[in-house]
Amino acid sequence: GAVVSQHPSWVICKSGTSVKIECRSLDFQATTMFWYRQFPKQSLMLMATSNEGSKATYEQGVEKDKFLINHASLTLSTLTVTSAHPEDSSFYICSARPGESSNQPQHFGDGTRLSIL
Amino acid sequence: SQQGEEDPQALSIQEGENATMNCSYKTSINNLQWYRQNSGRGLVHLILIRSNEREKHSGRLRVTLDTSKKSSSLLITASRAADTASYFCATDPYNNNDMRFGAGTRLTVKP
Repeated sequence: GAVVSQHPSWVICKSGTSVKIECRSLDFQATTMFWYRQFPKQSLMLMATSNEGSKATYEQGVEKDKFLINHASLTLSTLTVTSAHPEDSSFYICSARPGESSNQPQHFGDGTRLSIL
Repeated sequence: SQQGEEDPQALSIQEGENATMNCSYKTSINNLQWYRQNSGRGLVHLILIRSNEREKHSGRLRVTLDTSKKSSSLLITASRAADTASYFCATDPYNNNDMRFGAGTRLTVKP
């Protein structure tokens, strides 16, 4: 089945550090990848849609200068949390969908738990 | 913004019992999907049901979709302790490429 690898799985760093999270589709090409944020015991909130070769589409209220997204190839998207602060601590999850059709399920990475001290 | 809303928010049952979770949504959709999430992990896709389908089965899972009521249900039969997880419905809006997730149902199956 389709596999999405997300790395790292766990990050602890000091306030002011920038953190990069990678999302790779291992056995399929993904024109579009999605980045979500999840707070404890809550649902996934879509942050942005990452499009290969073009700028990401950010959801309302998500700072694009804070959360930099780069979709450099059909198998890799990165999310960089710039100058992270404690309020950025959260669980970040990426997903990718094979093909263009919306009738394909999204395949999720295992998430990255980010803790900013 | 969220689209689907699941109920109940939490469900606790004994092993062997059936578990039913419901999802309601607001806009027209292409399809509705159910996902499972173990604590601290990513989501695992369970079933996708298209807007022109009414029922779908996969092993011990049964999903129904009522587009007139904008609702769906997920039934897990003969539950096992390993089914303990959070279950989310996600809708694929008709005119949008983004999926929207509900708040989820936290299912606990006691051995």
